Order: sequence, then C-alpha cells, then structure tokens
Amino acid sequence: DAGVIQSPRHEVTEMGQEVTLRCKPISGHDYLFWYRQTMMRGLELLIYFNNNVPIDDSGMPEDRFSAKMPNASFSTLKIQPSEPRDSAVYFCASSQTGTSGGVRHGAQYFGPGTRLLVL
Amino acid sequence: DAKTTQPNSMESNEEEPVHLPCNHSTISGTDYIHWYRQLPSQGPEYVIHGLTSNVNNRMASLAIAEDRKSSTLILHRATLRDAAVYYCILNYGGSQGNLIFGKGTKLSVKP
Repeated sequence: DAGVIQSPRHEVTEMGQEVTLRCKPISGHDYLFWYRQTMMRGLELLIYFNNNVPIDDSGMPEDRFSAKMPNASFSTLKIQPSEPRDSAVYFCASSQTGTSGGVRHGAQYFGPGTRLLVL
Repeated sequence: DAKTTQPNSMESNEEEPVHLPCNHSTISGTDYIHWYRQLPSQGPEYVIHGLTSNVNNRMASLAIAEDRKSSTLILHRATLRDAAVYYCILNYGGSQGNLIFGKGTKLSVKP
C-alpha cells in the first residue's frame, strides 16, 4: 500500500505566484482532507471531500484558496496569488467510511506533507 | 465541540511503558476517542480509537474510564522512535471531517 502521496514535497515561490499542491489518496478511500499546519495555529482543516464532492470548505482562509477533486484518485489545492503568510506545511489525508454499532467512524491517513515557503 | 486536555509534555525511558493521559469531561455518548501522533517532520499518524471499551492494536492500547471522561494511551515499551507529539481527539458521532487537533503531548524518550 503506497499510502497518501503528495507532491511536491517542498515548494519555494515568490509572493503573487500561483501554487498548486497535489494529492493522491489511498485507493478505495472515499474521503479526502486538506490540512494546513503552522507553529502559531497548529493543524487546521481547510476542506474535505466525500466521493469527490466538497462537503465543508469553511476552513479555507479566503478566496485565494481553491481545491478540486476531479476523480477519486487525485486532488489539488491551489493558492492564487500566494502570500508570505501562506507559508506552512500542507497535508492531505484520506479515510474510508467505516461503521461500528451503526455509528460511522474513520481513521485518517496522512501524506508526508508539502512544505511551502512564500517569499 | 467537546474538548480534550492533555499535558504539554512527558518524558519516558526507553523500553519502559508510557501512559499518556487525556481528559474529556464534556464527552457525549456518541463521541469516539481518537489518538494520533506526529513524528518530527512527518504527517500525523493514526494510532488507535475507541468508544467505550478498552482497545488494543499493534501500536498501543487505549484504556477508557468507565464514565468516559478520561482515557489513557498506553505504549507498552517505549522506543526512541516513539518520540512524537500525541494528540487525543474527540470525533463527534464518528462523522468525518471533525478531527480537531489541539496542542497534544510532546513525548520525549530517553535512551
């Protein structure tokens, strides 16, 4: 099992440039999550998808951020234009709906992250 | 949202058991208790989860108090590789998208 794959692993860009982060979830997982981690704010959920459909994007900081999931095996997080305050580690995670006693639960499996630095 | 309280840091010696506590006094009946850990420079890693009964897996054991207001993650023999930040999270109703990561407990393991 390859796990969640993210690319690039590191990205350095200049303010104002477009940044695209990519994620391949674990095959068969029906949920995909994008998180951002900084020292100041910790780990924050940005958006998540179920069966390729965005379910909750309330964590997306502003309109400069957008995410898509065109198919079950690929998702992108785009920042346009990028700003220095966007510098962070961005994680993608996936999970599979499970049930126990009729209640849904799901362990999330995280990728290695993309470390973004906006100068 | 139900919240959790964990110590900021703990220390352990290698090859000794480690008990990581978590208080969640406002837990509701359908909240699952999840534990994740994050090793340095890596993404969070799922460790274990439970609802009411104690749980064991190859990584750890989860002991849940009878009133469910607290739980303890048990690493039976700590190794240097277990040095990480451990997060205790309540997952409301087991639904997706509701993992709210706090500051966690930073575990240091001494050789």
